[in-house]
Amino acid sequence: GDSVTQMEGPVTLSEEAFLTINCTYTATGYPSLFWYVQYPGEGLQLLLKATKADDKGSNKGFEATYRKETTSFHLEKGSVQVSDSAVYFCALVAGGTSYGKLTFGQGTILTVHP
Amino acid sequence: NAGVMQNPRHLVRRRGQEARLRCSPMKGHSHVYWYRQLPEEGLKFMVYLQKENIIDESGMPKERFSAEFPKEGPSILRIQQVVRGDSAAYFCASSSMTGAETQYFGPGTRLLVL
Repeated sequence: GDSVTQMEGPVTLSEEAFLTINCTYTATGYPSLFWYVQYPGEGLQLLLKATKADDKGSNKGFEATYRKETTSFHLEKGSVQVSDSAVYFCALVAGGTSYGKLTFGQGTILTVHP
Repeated sequence: NAGVMQNPRHLVRRRGQEARLRCSPMKGHSHVYWYRQLPEEGLKFMVYLQKENIIDESGMPKERFSAEFPKEGPSILRIQQVVRGDSAAYFCASSSMTGAETQYFGPGTRLLVL
């Protein structure tokens, strides 16, 4: 079945450091790929998405590129802020499905120190 | 435009009691998804509903769990005879269309079974 694997956390960085959170997937067909962010005590918010190979999703300084050849969708940010501290989830919707059932990775906790 | 509403935000039940979780989708949204987040894990799909119809309940435990989305009123996730293993955060998401369109998540209901 479909699955998403994220790098294990937690990840701890200093402010202004470079961030990479790895995400790889297994899916049949051409899935749509997503990054969601969850702040403490809140629900998930969509951070960015890409729906076809080589698409780059970007938002709030974060970006991720849909790489079909490596089945990856790594999240990057050039300079993190304390306010980026949260849990980040990579997710997919399988290609060819008629509705948006999300399959999530296990989440990566990011802590950014001043 | 109010977002997805869930209540209660926190629910404590003793083993054997019933838990009833409510989700009001965003205005104009007729598609509702329920996900469960067990401690230290990612979110897992439970059920997908449209108004008055269950479309996919493949992620829902076969016993004790049920869901509905009536023509009027919120979607309800019902857990009968709760056990300690049901302790988790339950998130609802809604979308305006089927397919891989963006789902908007509620803040979740954190269920604790004593």
